[in-house]
Amino acid sequence: SQTIHQWPATLVQPVGSPLSLECTVEGTSNPNLYWYRQAAGRGLQLLFYSVGIGQISSEVPQNLSASRPQDRQFILSSKKLLLSDSGFYLCAWSDQGGGELFFGSGTQLSVL
Amino acid sequence: AQSVAQPEDQVNVAEGNPLTVKCTYSVSGNPYLFWYVQYPNRGLQFLLKYITGDNLVKGSYGFEAEFNKSQTSFHLKKPSALVSDSALYFCAVRVDSSYKLIFGSGTRLLVRP
Repeated sequence: SQTIHQWPATLVQPVGSPLSLECTVEGTSNPNLYWYRQAAGRGLQLLFYSVGIGQISSEVPQNLSASRPQDRQFILSSKKLLLSDSGFYLCAWSDQGGGELFFGSGTQLSVL
Repeated sequence: AQSVAQPEDQVNVAEGNPLTVKCTYSVSGNPYLFWYVQYPNRGLQFLLKYITGDNLVKGSYGFEAEFNKSQTSFHLKKPSALVSDSALYFCAVRVDSSYKLIFGSGTRLLVRP
């Protein structure tokens, strides 16, 4: 069966520090991968999605970037965090057929 | 542009009563519609989806949803609510040619004993 791993679960970082959040999927190949951000326990904002290695689509211009160095690995990064980057970050995958998304357990990021 | 709306921030219902969480959508193309549930500090769990076929879709934990094309709605329902159903519910939509899933703002369901 397929599983998605996302870490860390909680992260507290100072303003101006770098960020790296990692997500990996097991039990499937060539998945679509997604990064969402959820603010204040409400709506989800799509940040990036990827349909293949090295293929990244950005939805919102911001202080973040994403990379997909391997088929089942998706990384969210920042060179210098801002206070506004705080939030709950969720990684997800779907198959290439365009079905439902399956989410990781999320990372609560607090930028102080 | 595609969008999805959840008009109610919160829905309150007594345990044992039926519940409805509303969702309407706007797309240009064939909609794929989804419902997810989120418990505190957790990721989203998939409940059910409508792709094509029967307008009444059955999903996990006794939930169902009805696709209504003329009203562009996809309301989530359950005949008898449980206290454990209390959570945040999200409706989502994608158009058949798109990889992106667009979420509504979420509806908090509170089931009182």
